[in-house]
Amino acid sequence: EAGVTQFPSHSVIEKGQTVTLRCDPISGHDNLYWYRRVMGKEIKFLLHFVKESKQDESGMPNNRFLAERTGGTYSTLKVQPAELEDSGVYFCASSQRQSVGEKLFFGSGTQLSVL
Amino acid sequence: EDQVTQSPEALRLQEGESSSLNCSYTVSGLRGLFWYRQDPGKGPEFLFTLYSAGEEKEKERLKATLTKKESFLHITAPKPEDSATYLCAVDTGGGNKLTFGTGTQLKVEL
Repeated sequence: EAGVTQFPSHSVIEKGQTVTLRCDPISGHDNLYWYRRVMGKEIKFLLHFVKESKQDESGMPNNRFLAERTGGTYSTLKVQPAELEDSGVYFCASSQRQSVGEKLFFGSGTQLSVL
Repeated sequence: EDQVTQSPEALRLQEGESSSLNCSYTVSGLRGLFWYRQDPGKGPEFLFTLYSAGEEKEKERLKATLTKKESFLHITAPKPEDSATYLCAVDTGGGNKLTFGTGTQLKVEL
């Protein structure tokens, strides 16, 4: 069974540029999550999709971040324009259900560096 | 605001030297406490979910326990392959919106 796939694994961009991260969840997983870890801090929730709908986007830091999940399959997270503080590792995770205690399957992350 | 604090930040053990990792939490209403393992360059990998005080779960050399204020991850006779960062997280609002601690980086040496 293929796991959660994220692309690219690394991205280095200049401040003010745009970057788009992609996540392919495990096939059949309706629930897709974005988390991120900035340097030295804990992993933090960004948002949660159920199929193509945003269930919870309370963790999105500001309107420079736009997440989409077309057709309820893969998801993209766009940062426009990128700022220095956006640097960090962006993780995508998926799960079959959203019941309490459901385990999340994480991808390996995208390391984003904004210079 | 929900808070999760893990200690120690880093731990170095000799192979076979058992120890425990701590996760203290302050939450409004615990729905589940999770332990994940993270290897360098990888995403977190699920280990356990605990739901209520007194609950225990085991997997190979790992055993997780839960009280009303904290959770412990006990590692018995660790091996070098147990070296990783161990993350604790809580779910208080449902929907798998997890609040993570900063992790304990474990190194097991021969």
